[in-house]
Amino acid sequence: KAGVTQTPRYLIKTRGQQVTLSCSPISGHRSVSWYQQTPGQGLQFLFEYFSETQRNKGNFPGRFSGRQFSNSRSEMNVSTLELGDSALYLCASSLWTSGEGYEQYFGPGTRLTVT
Amino acid sequence: TQLLEQSPQFLSIQEGENLTVYCNSSSVFSSLQWYRQEPGEGPVLLVTVVTGGEVKKLKRLTFQFGDARKDSSLHITAAQPGDTGLYLCAGARGTYKYIFGTGTRLKVLA
Repeated sequence: KAGVTQTPRYLIKTRGQQVTLSCSPISGHRSVSWYQQTPGQGLQFLFEYFSETQRNKGNFPGRFSGRQFSNSRSEMNVSTLELGDSALYLCASSLWTSGEGYEQYFGPGTRLTVT
Repeated sequence: TQLLEQSPQFLSIQEGENLTVYCNSSSVFSSLQWYRQEPGEGPVLLVTVVTGGEVKKLKRLTFQFGDARKDSSLHITAAQPGDTGLYLCAGARGTYKYIFGTGTRLKVLA
C-alpha cells in the first residue's frame, strides 16, 4: 500500500506571496491532518479534515487554510507569506483503530523557505 | 504553550548503552503516542498507549503510560546506531487533536 505523498517536496517563496501544498493520504484513510515543524516551536497542529469537513483547528492565523476533496486528498494554503512561515509542513493521514485510537501516518513533508 | 515537555532534549550515547526518555505534562491525555523521525522524513509511529499504567514492548523499546495518563517514558535497551533520530511523544486531546512534545534528539555512536 502506497504511503502518504506530499508535493512539492521543496519550495522557495518570497514574502507576501501565497503557496499551496498538496497531500495524498493512504488509500482508505479519510482523516488528514496538517502540522508545521520548526526548530524553535517543534511540531504544531494546524488543522484536521475528515470527509471534506474541518474537524479540528490549531492556533494559527487565518492566513493558513486548508481543504479536503471527495477523494480525501487535501491541500493547505498559506497567504501573504511571512519569513516566520519557513518550516517543514507535514501531512498525516489517519485510520481509526479500535483500542488504539487514531494511528497517524506521516508524509515526508514539504520544506518551505520564505525569503 | 508547550503542554508536553520531553527530557532530555539531547542524548549522545555509545552503542550498547541503555537510555530512558521522558514525556511529562500537567494535563491528562486520552492516549499517547511515540514517534521517531529521521532527517528528511516525517515521523513514524512506534506505539500508542491508551490505559493508565500500560506498558508496551517493541523489541528493545519499552513504553510506559503513567497511571494518571499525564506522563510517559520510552526505555531503549542496548541502543544501536539505527536508533538514532528525533523521538517525539504526542498526547491526544479532545476528539482528535494531537499535541506533540518538545522532542528528544538521540545519537547512538558505534
